[in-house]
Amino acid sequence: AQKVTQAQTEISVVEKEDVTLDCVYETRDTTYYLFWYKQPPSGELVFLIRRNSFDEQNEISGRYSWNFQKSTSSFNFTITASQVVDSAVYFCALSETRIQGAQKLVFGQGTRLTINP
Amino acid sequence: DSGVTQTPKHLITATGQRVTLRCSPRSGDLSVYWYQQSLDQGLQFLIHYYNGEERAKGNILERFSAQQFPDLHSELNLSSLELGDSALYFCASSTGLADYEQYFGPGTRLTVT
Repeated sequence: AQKVTQAQTEISVVEKEDVTLDCVYETRDTTYYLFWYKQPPSGELVFLIRRNSFDEQNEISGRYSWNFQKSTSSFNFTITASQVVDSAVYFCALSETRIQGAQKLVFGQGTRLTINP
Repeated sequence: DSGVTQTPKHLITATGQRVTLRCSPRSGDLSVYWYQQSLDQGLQFLIHYYNGEERAKGNILERFSAQQFPDLHSELNLSSLELGDSALYFCASSTGLADYEQYFGPGTRLTVT
């Protein structure tokens, strides 16, 4: 069965520090997608990134970067020079590609990130 | 704003009652998904519809049902409500059948008293 583990339940850092959120996944599929979502205090889920299992290149978007390592089944997320607005719960998720085309996301338990001024 | 709308935003009801949650996907999206977020279970996939057809079921109780209408909006019906059904219910949509990012609506917070 698929599983996503975010071992860090809560992280608290001071503004401008760099912070890395860990994500480890389990799947038997060779084709799959990995995602990160942000859930700010307002409650909505905001899409951040999607990465397919064949693309192990790291990705950078502004202060955000993602490190995908298939060998360790990890898809870690780093925020550089953190800001108070980054405070949120962050979810890592796994989706498998199904022959019949159905899709579901399996989410980790989330990491609550607090950035203190 | 993801473009996915959900109504109502909040819903308070009593045990044993039935409620309907509504979702309108982003313009052009054919897939609609429902998820439940609770403190003890986290974010759990309930069901996926594509262009009116059910495509996948997750941990959805038999007391719950959903459908997607010809105009692509979807409704999630929850009946014989129990206290444990209190949760945040999210709808998400995506362009196609699979392999697309899912964009989530703001959620409906259901409180069963």
